[in-house]
Parts: sequence; C-alpha cells; structure tokens
Amino acid sequence: RKEVEQDPGPFNVPEGATVAFNCTYSNSASQSFFWYRQDCRKEPKLLMSVYSSGNEDGRFTAQLNRASQYISLLIRDSKLSDSATYLCVVIPAFSGGYNKLIFGAGTRLAVHP
Amino acid sequence: ETGVTQSPTHLIKTRGQQVTLRCSSQSGHNTVSWYQQALGQGPQFIFQYYREEENGRGNFPPRFSGLQFPNYSSELNVNALELDDSALYLCASQRDLNTEAFFGQGTRLTVV
Repeated sequence: RKEVEQDPGPFNVPEGATVAFNCTYSNSASQSFFWYRQDCRKEPKLLMSVYSSGNEDGRFTAQLNRASQYISLLIRDSKLSDSATYLCVVIPAFSGGYNKLIFGAGTRLAVHP
Repeated sequence: ETGVTQSPTHLIKTRGQQVTLRCSSQSGHNTVSWYQQALGQGPQFIFQYYREEENGRGNFPPRFSGLQFPNYSSELNVNALELDDSALYLCASQRDLNTEAFFGQGTRLTVV
C-alpha cells in the first residue's frame, strides 16, 4: 500500500463548479499535512496547510480526519486558473531525527469554460 | 516567489557521466531536502540536510550524494548517470524541521 494515495483524475469541471479531492495516508502517527499545487512542468507550490480543526482560505477548504486517515480539499467556484495538479503531502511521525515530505501522485484538475 | 533558487534549470547528460545540481535556500532556512520527480508521479524524497549534516535519506543508491554549506545552500551530486535518472530534481527549503517546505523551480535532467 502506498503511504499517500490520491485519485489521479483527471477531474474535468466547468467554471463555477465545486470539486473535492480526497487523499488517504497509511501512517496513523503522521503529524503534518499539506496541499500543494503544481502547474505543468513547474515546481510544487504550497496551497495550504491542513489543520485538525479544518481550515479555509477563500474558495479553498481543507479538512483532516485523523480517525479515518483522510484529508480532503474542496474548491468552490472553480476558475480556469485552478487547472493544475493538486498534491497531497504528509509528514510522517518524527523518527530518526528527520522529517521528509511524502507526496501523493497528485490529482489533475482541468477547469473548462 | 519562494526565494529558493536552483541551477541549472535544464541539463542534458550522457549515461555514465556525473552531474552536480545546486540550490540556494530561502534566507533563514536551515533545512534543505532534495526530491526526484519522474513524469506523472509525485516527488520522491532523496535526502535531507539540516545544519550541514545529512539528516535522513530515502530509497536512493549511494551514487546520489549531497552537501550543505555553512550558508545552508546545498548540492546534489549524481554519479554514473542512468537513463532512469531523467527527471525533475526539486530542492525544498524549510525554516526548520516539520515546517512548510518551499520549492525551487527545479532542474530538469535528461540522460541520453
């Protein structure tokens, strides 16, 4: 089983739609969670951290369910500029003195007019 | 912009050659990690440097090695290049362990 799993998509949605991405992780002791956005052939860019209480940033809402080891990202009122690959990222339990980011393979979103 | 810069941006090498990639971390960040991203996949952790010491390593062979300098910039060295080493190499800078990571624009390495 992969450490972080995402639906690869692609999700093809019209402008204005609401779309949700899900991500599951295998290490129950994982401690930090993030969503990154990656445009084609570019570097990943931090979209938002994910907190246990859930958090919202404009049209984006992230939620964490530790019991189910599940992270979600909701995008409301999709824009053409939201078209990208969304990467779910987990930092596992602190062990061996270092933290590595574990990435899912990404979910591709295509927003069309 | 993240303030993390990588060089070069693109590189073509021949199988068996050696390559050095460079990364300047964001000011005030003491942790640098390197990732390899193959086409269609998420980035894979190569190793991490914390205050000039290697601080963890992923599932990569010893021909992948690195350094971190006193100013916290870093190098990734790959010896005996193989075709499968063709990928986007990303450098991530963190203020400290377990904080958000900010990526450079990457070096796209092609091995022919």
